[in-house]
Amino acid sequence: GENVEQHPSTLSVQEGDSAVIKCTYSDSASNYFPWYKQELGKRPQLIIDIRSNVGEKKDQRIAVTLNKTAKHFSLHITETQPEDSAVYFCAAGSQMNYGGSQGNLIFGKGTKLSVKP
Amino acid sequence: DAGVIQSPRHEVTEMGQEVTLRCKPISGHNSLFWYRQTMMRGLELLIYFNNNVPIDDSGMPEDRFSAKMPNASFSTLKIQPSEPRDSAVYFCASSSGGGARRTDTQYFGPGTRLTVL
Repeated sequence: GENVEQHPSTLSVQEGDSAVIKCTYSDSASNYFPWYKQELGKRPQLIIDIRSNVGEKKDQRIAVTLNKTAKHFSLHITETQPEDSAVYFCAAGSQMNYGGSQGNLIFGKGTKLSVKP
Repeated sequence: DAGVIQSPRHEVTEMGQEVTLRCKPISGHNSLFWYRQTMMRGLELLIYFNNNVPIDDSGMPEDRFSAKMPNASFSTLKIQPSEPRDSAVYFCASSSGGGARRTDTQYFGPGTRLTVL
C-alpha cells in the first residue's frame, strides 16, 4: 500500500525566512497531494493541493512542487509569519475505482513549524 | 455550509463504558472518513465509507471498535468497552468524489476529544 514519509518532523525558522517541508510517497498511482495545516487544538485544514498533471502550484506565500519521477513533493512557505506556526501534514491519494467512488488519503506524520518573531 | 459536524466535542468516560461518537458530513459529500489522532501515532485512518458502504476498515484497531453509516447524513463510531489507551482526538472528514466533480479534498470536523479514565 501507499506510504508517505515527511521531513523534517520539527522546523524552526525566523520570521521572514522561508520554510520547506518535504514528502515522499511510494505508490506511483497516487495522483492527488494535499497539504493540511493544523493549529493547536483545532482541526486539520486544507491549505493547498496539487494533482499529478501539474508540477507546481502557488497561492500567495505558499507553493507546492511535485516531482512524479522521484515521487516527492514539497511545501514552500515564503516570508513566514508567527501565525504560520502550526503542524503541517502532507498526504497522497489516488482515485481508486470502486464504481466511480474515490479512495482515501495517506498522511505523513506531520511537521511542527515554529516561526520565531 | 455548516461544514462537518461532530458530537460530542468532549467526552470523558470510565474504562469499560460504551462510547458513541457522531458525525454529520457536508451535505452532498459521498465519502466519510474516521481518523484518530494521538501524539504517538499521529493521524490514523480508522475506516472510510463511500455512498454509505464501508470501503476499508483495516485501520480499526480491534473488535471493540465499530462504525456505521445508516444514511448519507449520519455516521457513528462506537467503542465498547472503552480502554484508557483509546484516549485520543477522533476526527470525522467528508469529501465528494465521482462524476464531473471529482475531488479528493477532505474536510475535517472539529473532532471529539475522548478521555477514558
